[in-house]
Amino acid sequence: AQSVAQPEDQVNVAEGNPLTVKCTYSVSGNPYLFWYVQYPNRGLQFLLKYITGDNLVKGSYGFEAEFNKSQTSFHLKKPSALVSDSALYFCSCGNQFYFGTGTSLTVIP
Amino acid sequence: DVKVTQSSRYLVKRTGEKVFLECVQDMDHENMFWYRQDPGLGLRLIYFSYDVKMKEKGDIPEGYSVSREKKERFSLILESASTNQTSMYLCASKTGPNTEAFFGQGTRLTVV
Repeated sequence: AQSVAQPEDQVNVAEGNPLTVKCTYSVSGNPYLFWYVQYPNRGLQFLLKYITGDNLVKGSYGFEAEFNKSQTSFHLKKPSALVSDSALYFCSCGNQFYFGTGTSLTVIP
Repeated sequence: DVKVTQSSRYLVKRTGEKVFLECVQDMDHENMFWYRQDPGLGLRLIYFSYDVKMKEKGDIPEGYSVSREKKERFSLILESASTNQTSMYLCASKTGPNTEAFFGQGTRLTVV
C-alpha cells in the first residue's frame, strides 16, 4: 500500500523567512513523489516532483523539496517566503492516487 | 498549455437528483481522474480511467459512476444525489504513470 502524510494542518511563517511544509511517505519500491499548490477556489497546480536522481529537487516559484530516503520524507522548502505563497499545499505519491490531507500555509507580512 | 475544463464552477442540486459533472482535457492524455476534496480529508480518488471506455474504482466510488466515451471527456455521475455528496469535485488528467497531473478549476457541488 502507498500513502503520504502531512503532519501539520497549518503553517505560519513571517515574510522573508524560510518555510518548510512537511510530507512523509510510505511506499513500496521506488517512490514517485509530487507537490501541488492550491489557491482559493482553484484546482491544484503542479510544483515539483521526485522520480530519481538528486535528492534536492527544484520546482516552480522558487520552491524546492528534499527527498530523504532514511527518514521517508519529502519536505517542501523555500528560502524566503512571500505573502503570495499563502495557499494550500498537497503532497502526492505514486500515480496520483494518494494525496496528503493538505497544509495551509500563511505568510504573515 | 494543458487545459482541463470542468463544465461548472458551482452547482446546487436537490436530494435525489441525477447529477452530471463533465470534464474535458485538450492534451490527448490517456489517464483521467475524479477526486472529491473535503476539509481535513484532502483529495480522495473516486474513479479513474486509463483509456476510452475503461474505468477503475478509487477509494470512494459508492454513489458515483463514470463514463468515458471519448478520450478527451470524463464524466462523473451522481446517480441519486445526497447531502453527504456536497463537496468540491476535481478532475485531472495526465500522460504516463510517473508524470504530473493537470487539474481543472473544480466544481463546488451543494446538495440540498
